[in-house]
Amino acid sequence: QQQVKQSPQSLIVQKGGISIINCAYENTAFDYFPWYQQFPGKGPALLIAIRPDVSEKKEGRFTISFNKSAKQFSLHIMDSQPGDSATYFCAAIPTGGGNKLTFGTGTQLKVEL
Amino acid sequence: NAGVTQTPKFRILKIGQSMTLQCTQDMNHNYMYWYRQDPGMGLKLIYYSVGAGITDKGEVPNGYNVSRSTTEDFPLRLELAAPSQTSVYFCASSYVTSGVGEQFFGPGTRLTVL
Repeated sequence: QQQVKQSPQSLIVQKGGISIINCAYENTAFDYFPWYQQFPGKGPALLIAIRPDVSEKKEGRFTISFNKSAKQFSLHIMDSQPGDSATYFCAAIPTGGGNKLTFGTGTQLKVEL
Repeated sequence: NAGVTQTPKFRILKIGQSMTLQCTQDMNHNYMYWYRQDPGMGLKLIYYSVGAGITDKGEVPNGYNVSRSTTEDFPLRLELAAPSQTSVYFCASSYVTSGVGEQFFGPGTRLTVL
């Protein structure tokens, strides 16, 4: 069953706008939440990650917000650029889970000029 | 460092054929993984290994086999290819001492079974 739910499936944002992708997890204790970025024809690459003892983490234009009580986390891309156009996956690693990733279904982001 | 390399990049198989997807990493990582990516489904873990000689099943292991005789190599074997195995396959590796370690992905192998 899907333990990490991601939305929206696709997203179109104007250049300079804010892109927001949401994820929610259920039923399982997770203790690490990475976001991956994937360009066409390439493998996913780690973008930013957060642990559940922190409510927010920012790296440049990318911010993760984490709500432990609601079991939700989101990625915000500020000042979105055409070069950000890619597929984004949220993921989670369960507590004691041997570093195994459970992925969301992905969001295709397109940033238009 | 080349990172994680995968061969072949593309392959077309007929139903019932077998093949091995190759994966090599040169980062001396202890953990290695195989995922498959289907449209709209994210990536799902097929098998993983925490070190040479140690492998374990992931979420979708049926129809696949793996071995890990060296730290560097982690081949994935398809014995009797089926159309349901049409997918993009990604190998990944990470260095894990305690807790978590970033996973580094290869460029993928696109497999079509007809």
